Amino acid sequence: DAGVIQSPRHEVTEMGQEVTLRCKPISGHDYLFWYRQTMMRGLELLIYFNNNVPIDDSGMPEDRFSAKMPNASFSTLKIQPSEPRDSAVYFCASAYLSNQPQHFGDGTRLSIL
Amino acid sequence: TQLLEQSPQFLSIQEGENLTVYCNSSSVFSSLQWYRQEPGEGPVLLVTVVTGGEVKKLKRLTFQFGDARKDSSLHITAAQPGDTGLYLCAGADTGNQFYFGTGTSLTVIP
Repeated sequence: DAGVIQSPRHEVTEMGQEVTLRCKPISGHDYLFWYRQTMMRGLELLIYFNNNVPIDDSGMPEDRFSAKMPNASFSTLKIQPSEPRDSAVYFCASAYLSNQPQHFGDGTRLSIL
Repeated sequence: TQLLEQSPQFLSIQEGENLTVYCNSSSVFSSLQWYRQEPGEGPVLLVTVVTGGEVKKLKRLTFQFGDARKDSSLHITAAQPGDTGLYLCAGADTGNQFYFGTGTSLTVIP
């Protein structure tokens, strides 16, 4: 079975540019989660969706961050404009239920110069 | 507010030694999971515990859920270099919200 697929694996861009991260969850999983991981703050939940509907976006740091899930097999996390402090590894995860084990992608390592 | 605190934050030991990682909270969790994350990859589930006092063994790894379902521990016997990684606990509260712990970075030196 294909796991959670994220793209790109690495992204390096200049401050002020728009960044779009993509995620394909495991088929049949109704929940999709976006996380950010840094050494200082660990793994932080940014937002999660249930059946393509955003349920909790309280972890989204600022209005510069937005996430969409147009269908059950695709989600995006967008940062516009990007800033150096956004540099981190961003993970997407999916699960059958909100309290069930989550399956993670390999992450996108984002560097904002 | 961090619901799940892990200790120690960093741990470096020699191959063959034993170690214990702790995951503590003041909140009650309906279930608790342990994940391991290797460099360049996402966290991967190791085990789920759901009953207070439950003990699960996975080869050299022993997981225990506290009687009050507020804490958990992971014990590794005879650690090997392949055990190196970031260990994360994660809990589902009574409202089915999911939280990850602060993480323990383990390095096993050959």
